[in-house]
Amino acid sequence: KQEVTQIPAALSVPEGENLVLNCSFTDSAIYNLQWFRQDPGKGLTSLLLIQSSQREQTSGRLNASLDKSSGRSTLYIAASQPGDSATYLCAVSRLSSGSARQLTFGSGTQLTVLP
Amino acid sequence: KAGVTQTPRYLIKTRGQQVTLSCSPISGHRSVSWYQQTPGQGLQFLFEYFSETQRNKGNFPGRFSGRQFSNSRSEMNVSTLELGDSALYLCASSHHIGTEAFFGQGTRLTVV
Repeated sequence: KQEVTQIPAALSVPEGENLVLNCSFTDSAIYNLQWFRQDPGKGLTSLLLIQSSQREQTSGRLNASLDKSSGRSTLYIAASQPGDSATYLCAVSRLSSGSARQLTFGSGTQLTVLP
Repeated sequence: KAGVTQTPRYLIKTRGQQVTLSCSPISGHRSVSWYQQTPGQGLQFLFEYFSETQRNKGNFPGRFSGRQFSNSRSEMNVSTLELGDSALYLCASSHHIGTEAFFGQGTRLTVV
């Protein structure tokens, strides 16, 4: 059974800092990995999708890497801003029998960027 | 391009009642998945539909059911509600199986 762990559970940084969020998973047979952002009481916003054959993806100030063999992914946020404050979730998908896809989520890292 | 739309946004129900939640995926997306989010258990997979067929089901009791229509819209139903069913129910759509998932704003269900 796939298990996804995110460390740290919470992180508080001053504005302008570069930071790294970590995600690890126990089963390396993944189809892809996706990073999401969730604001309080809201749905999930997709940030980056990394296919299992890829090593990294970039979008603006965000860069996500994937090391499938070690079961790890990192989300790098450059020059953090107060608007980046949210909970960041990583999720891995695996094609199960019947070609279905389901996402297994970590418990998230709650990020606070202080002005 | 409109995003994933979930209705209603908020619901308050009494124990023992049943409830139906609706999800309209992004136009052209054929895969719809449902997740339950609670503070204690986090995000848990409920089921996935593709082309009107349930392709996968999570570890939830039979009180939780769903369906998908020919226009890809999906509904989930919870019968005989329990207090523990109080949660944020999230729907995700993707163009095809294995592609990027986009989530709606969720339906906040409170069972009293």
